[in-house]
Amino acid sequence: GAVVSQHPSWVICKSGTSVKIECRSLDFQATTMFWYRQFPKQSLMLMATSNEGSKATYEQGVEKDKFLINHASLTLSTLTVTSAHPEDSSFYICSARGTSARTDTQYFGPGTRLTVL
Amino acid sequence: KQEVTQIPAALSVPEGENLVLNCSFTDSAIYNLQWFRQDPGKGLTSLLLIQSSQREQTSGRLNASLDKSSGRSTLYIAASQPGDSATYLCAVPLTGANNLFFGTGTRLTVIP
Repeated sequence: GAVVSQHPSWVICKSGTSVKIECRSLDFQATTMFWYRQFPKQSLMLMATSNEGSKATYEQGVEKDKFLINHASLTLSTLTVTSAHPEDSSFYICSARGTSARTDTQYFGPGTRLTVL
Repeated sequence: KQEVTQIPAALSVPEGENLVLNCSFTDSAIYNLQWFRQDPGKGLTSLLLIQSSQREQTSGRLNASLDKSSGRSTLYIAASQPGDSATYLCAVPLTGANNLFFGTGTRLTVIP
């Protein structure tokens, strides 16, 4: 089956620093990747949708200048949390939808836990 | 806007019991419905996907049903095992939309 990886799996950083999270589709080409955020005891919330080679589409309330998304290739998307603050501490999950996969199937990564001190 | 609700929020059952998790959604114009499992601190694992034209899907001890007209889906787990302990999420995409609307999840604990 399709596999999506994320790196790192967890990261701890100081307030004010930037953190980059990678999302890779390992055995398929992903034209679309999605970034979700999950706060403790809450469900996942979509942050943004990125299509390879174009700008990401951000959901309402998500600051595009704070959460920089790059989808430069069909197998890699990155999410950079700029000038991170403690309130950005969360579980970030990406998913990918392939070129040949059915349009309704998203494959999820294992997630990245970000803790900002 | 689509709203997805899951009841109960938490459930604790003894091993071997059959159980039902519920998911309801407000907008019936869905493309499909997916059930996911999430272990603590982990990503999502897709369990079952039901197309909007289907009534149910089965995988092993899991059976998911879908009633679009009433905006409901159920996930039935037979002969529960401690390894089934996890949070179960349902999610629906609206027709023509990219993203999934997730429910709030049901945290299941199966007691040995």
